Amino acid sequence: QKEVEQNSGPLSVPEGAIASLNCTYSDRGSQSFFWYRQYSGKSPELIMSIYSNGDKEDGRFTAQLNKASQYVSLLIRDSQPSDSATYLCAVNRAAGNKLTFGGGTRVLVKP
Amino acid sequence: NAGVTQTPKFQVLKTGQSMTLQCAQDMNHNSMYWYRQDPGMGLRLIYYSASEGTTDKGEVPNGYNVSRLNKREFSLRLESAAPSQTSVYFCASWTSGAGETQYFGPGTRLLVL
Repeated sequence: QKEVEQNSGPLSVPEGAIASLNCTYSDRGSQSFFWYRQYSGKSPELIMSIYSNGDKEDGRFTAQLNKASQYVSLLIRDSQPSDSATYLCAVNRAAGNKLTFGGGTRVLVKP
Repeated sequence: NAGVTQTPKFQVLKTGQSMTLQCAQDMNHNSMYWYRQDPGMGLRLIYYSASEGTTDKGEVPNGYNVSRLNKREFSLRLESAAPSQTSVYFCASWTSGAGETQYFGPGTRLLVL
């Protein structure tokens, strides 16, 4: 079992719809959770971080964390073609500031 | 404030050649990291440095060495390049505390023939 798992996609959504991305992790001691967006040929950039159970909203993005079920999700509302990218889930495990990344989910937003 | 910079942007090596990838950050971060990214594999940690003077192995350290030259600079060396080391290499630094996150450099594309 991978430490951080994501569906590789592609996740195809029509413009204006909600894109829902999921990520599961294996280490119950994980402390903080991050979503990165990576455009093709570019470096990852942080879009959301979440530390406690529940929802966290930032603009069109909402991160949801459920530590009991060991999953974290990302919702993208009113999806735009510019949201087409690979989204990486990352988990900070208890032992130090080291992030473990999932393989990423490719999102395609079609006009 | 340039953030995290990496050189070179692109490099072609022949099997057995050596090279050093350079990384520098100007954000006064303590922790720095080297990752490699291969298609469908996400980012895998090669080495990291929690502070100046310390380095530790990550998930895939074989074939690599690192040097934390000072607080700003963290270099990655390939002593004898192999085709399996063809990848995109990202350097990152960490800011802890409120709003903690990693900042990534632009990456180095390495092709080993």
